[in-house]
Amino acid sequence: EPEVTQTPSHQVTQMGQEVILRCVPISNHLYFYWYRQILGQKVEFLVSFYNNEISEKSEIFDDQFSVERPDGSNFTLKIRSTKLEDSAMYFCASSPTGGSGEPQHFGDGTRLSIL
Amino acid sequence: GQNIDQPTEMTATEGAIVQINCTYQTSGFNGLFWYQQHAGEAPTFLSYNVLDGLEEKGRFSSFLSRSKGYSYLLLKELQMKDSASYLCAVRDRADYKLSFGAGTTVTVRA
Repeated sequence: EPEVTQTPSHQVTQMGQEVILRCVPISNHLYFYWYRQILGQKVEFLVSFYNNEISEKSEIFDDQFSVERPDGSNFTLKIRSTKLEDSAMYFCASSPTGGSGEPQHFGDGTRLSIL
Repeated sequence: GQNIDQPTEMTATEGAIVQINCTYQTSGFNGLFWYQQHAGEAPTFLSYNVLDGLEEKGRFSSFLSRSKGYSYLLLKELQMKDSASYLCAVRDRADYKLSFGAGTTVTVRA
């Protein structure tokens, strides 16, 4: 069964550094998402992406965050200047057409640790 | 905004049945999803409800009442591997995003 893949599985970075988290959505999916989950807390929406542009974003997704689809397969999340509170598990997800009944399929996540 | 509530923890015995409730208050409603999440892993899709009533998928069933803002996930014939967190997530009419509850940790005992 096709799946969403994310790399790296674990990223350790010094505060203030830039990080790029990478995702390969399921190949025929058109909608892409990033969520995060701080340890022990609920999954939170960051951003959704369709047709090479952001379709919606949350309050968490401030100017320090950006997303990009640099080629036909990758979908990246960049955090420009990381803070301690950015430490979390970051999940990428995709869905075929964004239709109401479609589940979003999640990758295994990247655990981001900011020191 | 969205307000989604579910119990924090539940414990049940192998072979038994457990019902996980979820209540929600949302500005719009375009479906409710249940996901399973094992510790340190990705959420995996279990079920979806958009109309009132019961959806059955093997050992798992999910129920929705839109007028009451209420859903439950029913896990039957519990197995040890069902020990996990179960996440209730609501999709707003206007949005594509999912708004998640905090999750219910189910522990299955032998």
